[in-house]
Amino acid sequence: GEDVEQSLFLSVREGDSSVINCTYTDSSSTYLYWYKQEPGAGLQLLTYIFSNMDMKQDQRLTVLLNKKDKHLSLRIADTQTGDSAIYFCAENFQNDMRFGAGTRLTVKP
Amino acid sequence: DGGITQSPKYLFRKEGQNVTLSCEQNLNHDAMYWYRQDPGQGLRLIYYSQIVNDFQKGDIAEGYSVSREKKESFPLTVTSAQKNPTAFYLCASTYLAGDRGSTNYGYTFGSGTRLTVV
Repeated sequence: GEDVEQSLFLSVREGDSSVINCTYTDSSSTYLYWYKQEPGAGLQLLTYIFSNMDMKQDQRLTVLLNKKDKHLSLRIADTQTGDSAIYFCAENFQNDMRFGAGTRLTVKP
Repeated sequence: DGGITQSPKYLFRKEGQNVTLSCEQNLNHDAMYWYRQDPGQGLRLIYYSQIVNDFQKGDIAEGYSVSREKKESFPLTVTSAQKNPTAFYLCASTYLAGDRGSTNYGYTFGSGTRLTVV
């Protein structure tokens, strides 16, 4: 397909791990990104991964990339209530960036 | 501190009016972008500009206009021709790298303007 696809909702309990999945479209994308959007705010770049990497870890965040399946995931360890937000995956595409529709993560106490 | 500033945060438009949303960045970024976000949907590209005095239409440019007279500024005008303008508008900017102007660095976003038609 031509869209970057994500599931729309994810709900976890505080302290659990969250895994947000994304399927992207262009096998020639060199970078893939995860952004976080809190209510009423813009998007904040969380992390990115270069396409020749399989994994990138940054504190509580782990990004896994499966180039063969064009699958990207974001794992948040020890999820906190402050992690509640919408998470967007994105791929660089020609002179622009193509975004998924976003996954709304709800963290329950 | 460097950043990208959008103003106003909230804007109300009457039917038939044109309104202009401001976007200013002091990051010395080359490229600037305008996106529209509707509830429960992703970002849709309205216009983008990679160089002063040049800009390109995105996926949903109809009813919108832009200018890029200065590197730091990329205002968006929502015209009366835009029939459903109520949305959250996001401006973004980035460096361009290499000969082909790739956007590998990721975007910096403003905090958004919420436009409502009254």
